[in-house]
Amino acid sequence: AQSVTQLGSHVSVSEGALVLLRCNYSSSVPPYLFWYVQYPNQGLQLLLKYTTGATLVKGINGFEAEFKKSETSFHLTKPSAHMSDAAEYFCAVSDRNGSQGNLIFGKGTKLSVKP
Amino acid sequence: GAGVSQSPRYKVAKRGQDVALRCDPISGHVSLFWYQQALGQGPEFLTYFQNEAQLDKSGLPSDRFFAERPEGSVSTLKIQRTQQEDSAVYLCASSRWTGGLSPLHFGNGTRLTVT
Repeated sequence: AQSVTQLGSHVSVSEGALVLLRCNYSSSVPPYLFWYVQYPNQGLQLLLKYTTGATLVKGINGFEAEFKKSETSFHLTKPSAHMSDAAEYFCAVSDRNGSQGNLIFGKGTKLSVKP
Repeated sequence: GAGVSQSPRYKVAKRGQDVALRCDPISGHVSLFWYQQALGQGPEFLTYFQNEAQLDKSGLPSDRFFAERPEGSVSTLKIQRTQQEDSAVYLCASSRWTGGLSPLHFGNGTRLTVT
């Protein structure tokens, strides 16, 4: 069965500092990988996804993530945090061989940005 | 264009009451998902529709939960005899196609509080 682990339920950085949110997955075959962002009282918005090809994927708002098969990781980074990045971030996986496209989510990491 | 719309945004129910939550997916989207997001947790899969067919209901926590999508567009999630543990945000998502390559578009959710 697939699973997702996000290390750190809460990460706090200063404005302008590097953002690093960690995600590891467990799957018998490399899955499709996603990062979603959730602002308070809103639904989830897709930041980026990895399906195939280049392992470094760029998303919206300056975020990027690198798929590392050997480490079963898909960590999310942003070189310089902005106050507007404060939100909750969810890593998710989807079965590459599945027909539905259902997502399995991690528990989320809440990002705080200090001025 | 219009995104996924969910109503009501907030619902307070007394224990034992029945509730119905509505989801209007993006027009033309084939796939529709319901997720349950408890406080401080990631979304958890409840059920999946492909057009009007409910192909997977493995995530429904009990037989008090029922979902339908009779005409392949609007979907309703019904919870009978609500319990306090049903308190959560219920998220609906739709995607244009089936399978993991088709991104999910989420609504803002319905926050259910059972008192």
